[in-house]
Order: sequence, then structure tokens, then C-alpha cells
Amino acid sequence: AQRVTQPEKLLSVFKGAPVELKCNYSYSGSPELFWYVQYSRQRLQLLLRHISRESIKGFTADLNKGETSFHLKKPFAQEEDSAMYYCALSGRASGTYKYIFGTGTRLKVLA
Amino acid sequence: EPEVTQTPSHQVTQMGQEVILRCVPISNHLYFYWYRQILGQKVEFLVSFYNNEISEKSEIFDDQFSVERPDGSNFTLKIRSTKLEDSAMYFCASRGTGGDEQFFGPGTRLTVL
Repeated sequence: AQRVTQPEKLLSVFKGAPVELKCNYSYSGSPELFWYVQYSRQRLQLLLRHISRESIKGFTADLNKGETSFHLKKPFAQEEDSAMYYCALSGRASGTYKYIFGTGTRLKVLA
Repeated sequence: EPEVTQTPSHQVTQMGQEVILRCVPISNHLYFYWYRQILGQKVEFLVSFYNNEISEKSEIFDDQFSVERPDGSNFTLKIRSTKLEDSAMYFCASRGTGGDEQFFGPGTRLTVL
């Protein structure tokens, strides 16, 4: 079955501390994985996709096929990083590229 | 930068009433999606739409739901007879031909009383 798991509902860290938001997936085939961020009262915005291997706002994520993980990391958290973070998998197998989302992790960065 | 828009931002309706949620996708996109998020739960796929027809739908998308692209710009989700459990945030998304990335609208919060 296709599934995305984000084990933490809430993650609180102090400003300047490292952050790791966990994402594990289950998918038969070659997945496309994304991280979306939702700031308070705003729309879902793409933060990262695994295929581009870029760093956005200091965040990085590496696809580990052996561990079926796509964890999001940032070495030094900032207060403005406080938001909901969703890991998503693109369902290429179906041909429609629908997204399968995790339940999301709320990141709170404390001053 | 072009954005997906959705109207209304909040819709309150009585159980059994019909509602239409509207979306204007990004103009050169060809693939359209509806998702919903019940409060406290994950974002769930409802339906995808391409070339004026449904390309995939989830088990949530039963006969009470329908989608339409009535003109060249709007993409609508209709719920024929709303139930209490339809209360949720409904997100529209669109995708171009260049990749997998979907662009999301701000959502419509539907409250069924």
C-alpha cells in the first residue's frame, strides 16, 4: 500500500537548535517525494522536492531508499520556521500524479 | 507569480443542501485536483481531472460529489447533498506538464450544520 508516515505531530525546538522532521514512505516503484510547508493561515507551498536536491531556506532532505525515508533537516532553526510541514509522495504509478500526504508535523521554534 | 485561487474562503451550509466550491487554476495548467482535510487529520486526495474528464477518484468521492470545468478558467467541486462529515477544508491544486509539482489554492473551509 502507498503510505506516508510522519511520526511526530508536534516538534518544539529552541531557536538555533538543529531540526529534523521525519518522513517514511511505503511505495512500490520509484517515488517522487516532496515537502510542503503551511504557514499560519496560508496555502500549502512547496518547500523541497527530492529530485532537485536543493536547499531552500536552509532546509535539506535526502531520499534514502534503503530506509524508505525522506527526512527534512535544518542545522539552525529560526522562529520564522514555525509552521506545519507535510511530507507528500507523488503517485506516479496511477498515472495521475496524485499526492499522498503524511499527517503533518507542527514545528514550533521557541525564542 | 500566478496562483491558484478558491472561492469562497468559508462556506456554511445546512445538512442536505448542495454546495459548489470554486477554483481558478493556474492558466496554462492542464491537470487539476481536489483534496480535503478534516480538522486534525491528513490531507486526502479526492479526485483528479484532465482533458475534461475524471482521471482518478478516491473512495471518498462517491455519487454525492462531482467536478466540472464549465469554462476555460473555473474548476468546480459540487457536493449534492451535504452531510455533517463533509465539514472540512477543501483544497484545489493544479499542475503543469513540466513536472510533478502541484500548486495549491488557499482552501475553502466548509462547515455543514
